[in-house]
This record gives sequence, structure tokens and C-alpha cells, in this order.
Amino acid sequence: DAKTTQPTSMDCAEGRAANLPCNHSTISGNEYVYWYRQIHSQGPQYIIHGLKNNETNEMASLIITEDRKSSTLILPHATLRDTAVYYCIARGAGSYQLTFGKGTKLSVIP
Amino acid sequence: GAVVSQHPSRVICKSGTSVKIECRSLDFQATTMFWYRQFPKQSLMLMATSNEGSKATYEQGVEKDKFLINHASLTLSTLTVTSAHPEDSSFYICSAREFRTDSYEQYFGPGTRLTVT
Repeated sequence: DAKTTQPTSMDCAEGRAANLPCNHSTISGNEYVYWYRQIHSQGPQYIIHGLKNNETNEMASLIITEDRKSSTLILPHATLRDTAVYYCIARGAGSYQLTFGKGTKLSVIP
Repeated sequence: GAVVSQHPSRVICKSGTSVKIECRSLDFQATTMFWYRQFPKQSLMLMATSNEGSKATYEQGVEKDKFLINHASLTLSTLTVTSAHPEDSSFYICSAREFRTDSYEQYFGPGTRLTVT
């Protein structure tokens, strides 16, 4: 699976959009981009995934650049409960293993 | 749907004893279950992958005789930490993959905090 690079930490004001970037410049054509988050002392929670089209669900939007070398997770209206570590993972289509990097620690500030 | 539970949520044991952690898929059948370990301020590290009815596959550096994994049914996997030592203190998380040929999704449990004194 391709390596992903994320900023170590980010702050976001409550009620504003949180934009979390992820670089995956070596991603191959059949690798999906997955986002999970982990609230302190809990198991990871699935957020969203995509291949090349932008995706949106009730939690977030995923914007993938046309060359697929980077993506951005958008939480449209961040709340204090969105404070967590966010992991961006590239996973092959036929693979069921997830390799977690260090992720981005998002702090939502009141 | 797709809920995974773990028991216990926290456990404290003395050095040299063994402790068992259960991972259950509550509303689906899990072909494959995964066990991760997470030390403070670090990311999740995959320890082993287990398929129902067969032996677990351990990641490099994980002692299979120390971390015994049993996946006896499609809804239950157990991790037993044998002869636990303080350095085994960690957050243990399981995940499960649904018994579907078209799904590669993993659903995570809430984790078990193990403290060895």
C-alpha cells in the first residue's frame, strides 16, 4: 500500500470547516483512499473512502485531486466532538489490511 | 449494524499471569478478525490476522507463543496474553471483516486497556 503523509496536528474553530490534507504521491491506480478517526481511548471509526471521484456522506466530504496524489477530508461544521486523530490510508482494492500512519491530531477549539 | 464489541474494556493483571481479551461481532459474521496494539501516543500496529477455523498469521516481531489467538467461530475471536509483563501494557483493539465476498471493510471494537503491574 502507498505511503501517506499528513500534518502532525491542526486546529479548527468550532462551527468552521475542518480541511485535513493527505499526500499519497505514490498511490497506484487500484488503491482507494480511506479515512478513519480515533477519538481518545476508543477504537477507530470509519469516515469515508474514495477511488478517484469526490465522495460525500453524512460525516464528511472527500476531495481527491485529479492526479490522485493528494486528497482532503472536509468536516463541514466541526464540533468539539470531532476532536480526534484522523488517519488517511491508501488500500489496494483486493487488500483487507489497513496500515495506520501517525495521522493528524485535530483539535476543535470553542 | 456492523458492531464489534470487546471484553473487558479495562483489565489490570499482575506480572506473570495471563489475560484473555474477547472480540465479538454482534450483528454480522466475521470471516477475518484483526488484532492491533497501540502504545501511548503511537499509532495502531497490526499484530495478527485470524480467519475462522485456521491458525492466525502474525506480523513480524510479534511472538505467537505469547499472544495466543483463537478464532473459533464467525462471531468470536480471543487474544490471550500469556505470562504478561509490564511492557505488554497497551491498548489492544480488534477489528472484524464481514463474511462477504464483495466487502473489504473493517469494523473496529472499542479497545481493551491492559495494565500489567
